[in-house]
Amino acid sequence: AQTVTQSQPEMSVQEAETVTLSCTYDTSESDYYLFWYKQPPSRQMILVIRQEAYKQQNATENRFSVNFQKAAKSFSLKISDSQLGDAAMYFCAYRSLTGANSKLTFGKGITLSVRP
Amino acid sequence: DAGITQSPRHKVTETGTPVTLRCHQTENHRYMYWYRQDPGHGLRLIHYSYGVKDTDKGEVSDGYSVSRSKTEDFLLTLESATSSQTSVYFCASSRDPPQPQHFGDGTRLSIL
Repeated sequence: AQTVTQSQPEMSVQEAETVTLSCTYDTSESDYYLFWYKQPPSRQMILVIRQEAYKQQNATENRFSVNFQKAAKSFSLKISDSQLGDAAMYFCAYRSLTGANSKLTFGKGITLSVRP
Repeated sequence: DAGITQSPRHKVTETGTPVTLRCHQTENHRYMYWYRQDPGHGLRLIHYSYGVKDTDKGEVSDGYSVSRSKTEDFLLTLESATSSQTSVYFCASSRDPPQPQHFGDGTRLSIL
């Protein structure tokens, strides 16, 4: 079974600075997808970015980018030019490509605060 | 974003009562999921569906049942609610894997 680990429960960043959120995972599969979801105080689960394991190029979405290290099974999220609206809980998630059980396996999340 | 509606948004009920949560999606997604979110656990899968009348258990399915009679609706039932089922419940839907799952806004359920 796959596991996802987010070892830092909380992080803080100064507005306009850059912050990196860590995520590691364990799997025996070679093909899979990885995701970062954002959950603001409104409780919505918002997809931030996704990475296909077969792609070597790191995914980027505006101020959000990932550092995907497949051999190390590491998938960190970098937020550049942090804004107050980035304050939220962030979840790393893994999704297998095989089987009918295509569930997401989530990490426990990290709470990001942004200091003005 | 995908049109996923959960109802109710909040519910308070008593131990031993039956509770049904509803998820409705307008995207014609084949897959639907129910998760619960608890502090320190992230989101954990309760049940999922891969088509009308096709459902299967997730990792925390004890005490829960589901039904899917139409593509757009996925119901989660707690036959006899217990205090340990106090949680925030999320529904999600997606096209075939590995397309991302899109989430509803969650239901906060309190069982006293």
